[in-house]
Parts: sequence; structure tokens; C-alpha cells
Amino acid sequence: EAGVAQSPRYKIIEKRQSVAFWCNPISGHATLYWYQQILGQGPKLLIQFQNNGVVDDSQLPKDRFSAERLKGVDSTLKIQPAKLEDSAVYLCASSPPGLAGNNEQFFGPGTRLTVL
Amino acid sequence: RKEVEQDPGPFNVPEGATVAFNCTYSNSASQSFFWYRQDCRKEPKLLMSVYSSGNEDGRFTAQLNRASQYISLLIRDSKLSDSATYLCVVNSGGYQKVTFGIGTKLQVIP
Repeated sequence: EAGVAQSPRYKIIEKRQSVAFWCNPISGHATLYWYQQILGQGPKLLIQFQNNGVVDDSQLPKDRFSAERLKGVDSTLKIQPAKLEDSAVYLCASSPPGLAGNNEQFFGPGTRLTVL
Repeated sequence: RKEVEQDPGPFNVPEGATVAFNCTYSNSASQSFFWYRQDCRKEPKLLMSVYSSGNEDGRFTAQLNRASQYISLLIRDSKLSDSATYLCVVNSGGYQKVTFGIGTKLQVIP
């Protein structure tokens, strides 16, 4: 079974530029998560989708971050414009149908973003 | 107070030792709990779920103490391959809001 796919794996941009990340979850997984993990910290949930609806985006900095999952399958996360403090690994995870909080999350390899 | 708190460590233990980590949570309505393992520069992977009655998987034992609002992970007979960061995950709220702890770093030394 294919795992969670993410691209690109690495990205280096200058501050004030825009960047987009892509995630394709495991087939059949209804719940999709985007996390930001800064070096030395645990993953911080940015947004959680259930199919194509947003369940929780309370920690998403909406003035610069946006995410969509239009067809309930793959998802994109965008940062516009980027700041130095956005340098982090952006992790995508998915979990199978059922009560989302009770299910294992399967993580992709992450996108390592460096903002100069 | 943080929603989920862990001692970041590092915990340096010799091979064969027993080591325990705790994770405290602030929301008494939290409903599900997990331990994930994260190797350096890799993604987190589920180690084990934490059930109310406690559960064991080989050398690993997880327990939940709702009264004191903490979960624990016990590793017996530590192996070099156990060296990693152990992340506590707590789900709470109406739609199971997910919160990760900062992680506890374990280094098993020969």
C-alpha cells in the first residue's frame, strides 16, 4: 500500500516569496492533517480536513497561510508571503474513516522549508 | 499551562536499562491518547495507543492516569535502536482536536 506522498521534499525561498506544498494521502483516508514542525519542537497542527471540509484551522495563520482539499483527496498548503519564522518541516498526515481522533495517523516524509 | 507537556530530555540510558516517560495534559475532557516515535529527520510513526486499562506491546508499556491527567511510557531492556524522540499525542474537544507534545529525546548508549 502506498504511503502519504508529499512534494517537494525540500524548498529554499527568500522572505516575502510564495510557496506551495502538495500532499496525496493514503487512498480511502477521509481525514487529512497539515502540521508545522519547527526544529526541536513537536508537530503543531495547522489544519485538519474531513473529506473536503475543514474541521479545525484554529492554529493556521490565516493572513499568510491557506490550504485546500477541493475534491476530498489531495491537498495543497500555501504560504504567501513567507517569513523567516516559517522555516520548518511541513508534515502531511492522513487517517482512515471513523472517529478521527481514535485512529492512527500516517505521516508523509515532510517538506523541509528554509526561508532566507 | 500548555495543553500537553513533556520533559524534552535528553534521557541518556545504558543498554538494558528501564526508562519511563510521562506526559501531562490539561484538558480533562481529552478522550484518546497515543505515543508516536520520531527518528532524527524522519516523520513520526505510531508506537502505541494508550488505553484506559493500560496496554503492553513487547518491551513497551503505556498507561493512562485520568485522575492525575497524565500518560506514561515504560521501555524495558532498552536497545540502541530505541534511540529516538517519543511524542505524546492527546485528542480532545468536540471533534478530537489533536495536540502533540514537544517530545522526549531518548539516547540509549552502549
